[in-house]
Amino acid sequence: GQQLNQSPQSMFIQEGEDVSMNCTSSSIFNTWLWYKQDPGEGPVLLIALYKAGELTSNGRLTAQFGITRKDSFLNISASIPSDVGIYFCAGRNYGGSQGNLIFGKGTKLSVKP
Amino acid sequence: NAGVTQTPKFQVLKTGQSMTLQCAQDMNHNSMYWYRQDPGMGLRLIYYSASEGTTDKGEVPNGYNVSRLNKREFSLRLESAAPSQTSVYFCASSESVGYTFGSGTRLTVV
Repeated sequence: GQQLNQSPQSMFIQEGEDVSMNCTSSSIFNTWLWYKQDPGEGPVLLIALYKAGELTSNGRLTAQFGITRKDSFLNISASIPSDVGIYFCAGRNYGGSQGNLIFGKGTKLSVKP
Repeated sequence: NAGVTQTPKFQVLKTGQSMTLQCAQDMNHNSMYWYRQDPGMGLRLIYYSASEGTTDKGEVPNGYNVSRLNKREFSLRLESAAPSQTSVYFCASSESVGYTFGSGTRLTVV
């Protein structure tokens, strides 16, 4: 089945740093989504992208829908402690067998000790 | 503003016991989903229901059954729990693009 490769798997942040993560796929997606999961909670939608090349911001978060439609990027500027958690990318292809979201395995953000 | 409600939040089962995880949404969404989350594995789809009266297998359906009781409720049943089913289970619902997730059920099978 379709798979998303999300990287990095984990990273440590220091307050004030910018953070970047990305997702790639061997398949084309019509929609890319980014979710954040806080400890003990379910994932919450951060940003949705609908067109190739689209760049969308939500506060300090900026995400882009890759031109090839096979990748997406999420950037967090000037990170703060509450940014820690797991970030998931998800892609959707309405022409796929299920039309459901396909999730990456997540990028875990932690605070540098 | 409840969104998606899952019960229970925590559960410990002995191997071979059965149980049903409950999920209800109040957003009038057509589609509902059950995922399991394991360390390093991300979210894996167990079963989904595109609309009331229909259910389909996802990526990891073995050992599970589901019931779409009505538009609001979608339950997940473990008939004979195994230690490999120790996981965090998430229910989600959607109407269009994004999914709304519940806060999860942490299940331990000993």
